[in-house]
Amino acid sequence: EVHLMESGGVVVQPGGSLRLSCAASGFSFDDYTIHWVRQVPGKGLEWVSLISWDGGTTYYADSVKGRFTISRDNIKSSLYLQMNSLRTEDTALYYCAKAGDKYATSINFDYWGQGTLVTVSS
Amino acid sequence: QLVLTQSPSASASLGASVKLTCTLSSGHTDYAIAWHQQQPERGPRYLMKVNSDGSHTKGDGIPDRFSGSSSGAERYLTISSLQSEDEADYYCQTWGIGFHYVFGAGTKVTVL
Repeated sequence: EVHLMESGGVVVQPGGSLRLSCAASGFSFDDYTIHWVRQVPGKGLEWVSLISWDGGTTYYADSVKGRFTISRDNIKSSLYLQMNSLRTEDTALYYCAKAGDKYATSINFDYWGQGTLVTVSS
Repeated sequence: QLVLTQSPSASASLGASVKLTCTLSSGHTDYAIAWHQQQPERGPRYLMKVNSDGSHTKGDGIPDRFSGSSSGAERYLTISSLQSEDEADYYCQTWGIGFHYVFGAGTKVTVL
């Protein structure tokens, strides 16, 4: 059974840093692109970033470019999101999501985690 | 610009059917989309991918009550024999050239 579990969400001050993690199981982690998607509580979904199966391709939404860095450890089947220069508008639930096909980036997501809450507030 | 448009809300009685619509923006009317369900206080759950020809591929364990179809720029999700646990937000998603991922604003389904 595919399982994704995010962790690392806390309350942090504006300008601060945070690293989120996503632990994966139940599939060949190193065959799939993984994404980060966020959701302000009560609002819709916003795509944040992706990393290809081999880590060779990363991409970011304009809203986080230059501040967030996505990475992965295929040995540990884990995904990370390093978040720097945090702003109040980064407050959201952060989900990791798995791509629907092996070795594909332009495809739907087919599994999601339960999310971890990041609150940026003074 | 790649945009997905969804109605904010829909409702139907227990046991009835409801059909949700996701409309692709001009110039992107042949794109496939995916439907995701988000029950209250839970992470999203993938339901299915719907292609421009109306064919669809469901996620693991998705009941037969959920089906997808397509017409022109519109992609549909039909939920038959509506149950109380179907009360949720439903998001459509698509993906474009150059790592462009877009979500609709979501449709809140209420079971009466």
